Amino acid sequence: KQEVTQIPAALSVPEGENLVLNCSFTDSAIYNLQWFRQDPGKGLTSLLLIQSSQREQTSGRLNASLDKSSGRSTLYIAASQPGDSATYLCASRMDSSYKLIFGSGTRLLVRP
Amino acid sequence: NAGVTQTPKFQVLKTGQSMTLQCAQDMNHEYMSWYRQDPGMGLRLIHYSVGAGITDQGEVPNGYNVSRSTTEDFPLRLLSAAPSQTSVYFCATWGQGGRHGYFGPGTRLTVT
Repeated sequence: KQEVTQIPAALSVPEGENLVLNCSFTDSAIYNLQWFRQDPGKGLTSLLLIQSSQREQTSGRLNASLDKSSGRSTLYIAASQPGDSATYLCASRMDSSYKLIFGSGTRLLVRP
Repeated sequence: NAGVTQTPKFQVLKTGQSMTLQCAQDMNHEYMSWYRQDPGMGLRLIHYSVGAGITDQGEVPNGYNVSRSTTEDFPLRLLSAAPSQTSVYFCATWGQGGRHGYFGPGTRLTVT
């Protein structure tokens, strides 16, 4: 059974710092890996999705990588801003069925 | 285009009461699902539907019922609420071949 883990649970950084959020998974036979952002009291917003055949995806200041052999994905945020403060969740899909297996998230605070 | 809407936003129930959480989408998406999010844990799949008239169980289906009579609506019924069902509930949808998915804003349920 796939298990997805995110460490640390919380992270506080000063504005402008580059940072990396980690996501690990136990079953490397994933269909894809997705990163979401969740703001307090809100739903989830999809940030990046990496198919199993891909190594990374980029969107603006965000870059997500995938290493299936080691069971790891990272979300790199460049030049962090206070507006990046949110909880970041990763989720794996094991097939085309849209059933996601989530990590517990990393709560990020970017201090001005 | 409202996307995914959920009602109510907040609800307090007493143990043993029943209620229905509503989820509606106006994107003509075939796939709809319900997740619950508990503190310190990732989202867990309760039930999902691949189209009108078709539903199936997710990871934590006990105590919940669903039906899908139309493409637009996917209500989640709590048959006899228990304190263990205190959680935030999210509805999510995907179009056929869609990659990212759309999440509703959530319903925060407290069972006393």
